[in-house]
Amino acid sequence: GQQVMQIPQYQHVQEGEDFTTYCNSSTTLSNIQWYKQRPGGHPVFLIQLVKSGEVKKQKRLTFQFGEAKKNSSLHITATQTTDVGTYFCAGGGNAGNMLTFGGGTRLMVKP
Amino acid sequence: NAGVTQTPKFQVLKTGQSMTLQCAQDMNHNSMYWYRQDPGMGLRLIYYSASEGTTDKGEVPNGYNVSRLNKREFSLRLESAAPSQTSVYFCASSAWADGNSPLHFGNGTRLTVT
Repeated sequence: GQQVMQIPQYQHVQEGEDFTTYCNSSTTLSNIQWYKQRPGGHPVFLIQLVKSGEVKKQKRLTFQFGEAKKNSSLHITATQTTDVGTYFCAGGGNAGNMLTFGGGTRLMVKP
Repeated sequence: NAGVTQTPKFQVLKTGQSMTLQCAQDMNHNSMYWYRQDPGMGLRLIYYSASEGTTDKGEVPNGYNVSRLNKREFSLRLESAAPSQTSVYFCASSAWADGNSPLHFGNGTRLTVT
């Protein structure tokens, strides 16, 4: 079955440093979605990428979908303490399969 | 517009007790889901309902049952709670269960089984 791996599992950064999390699928995806979960909160949908090579930006966050539609990344420029949380990617399969979530990357930011 | 509402927010059970977690969505979504999240872990799908009248097992269905009561409501029942079921439970909904529709999550139910 479809598997989605996410690395790293944890990341500590100093406030102001950049951060990147990577998502890799064992199969070609129809789309990739990213979610953020604040500590003690619930996952919240951030963005969806559909096209091969697509790049989308939300303020300091840059999302990329790989050319082969099997990998994706989320890059945060100049992290802030408000960026703290766990970032999940979730991939949709081409056969209309359910979303498969990666294990998440927990970001901790030292002020 | 509440989105996805889960009750209760917290629950403590003794081993062997039963309980039902309630979930309702007001977004007219067709599909609903139950996930569990253990400390420091990712999301694991317990059961889902692609549309009203259907339910299917997810990755970790053992020890749980579900009911899609109507289009709005999807409940999760623990018949005989075990300490291994201590977790945070999230209900979610989406327009379709096609892997393309974004999920909207409820606030979660924090369950402890002693």
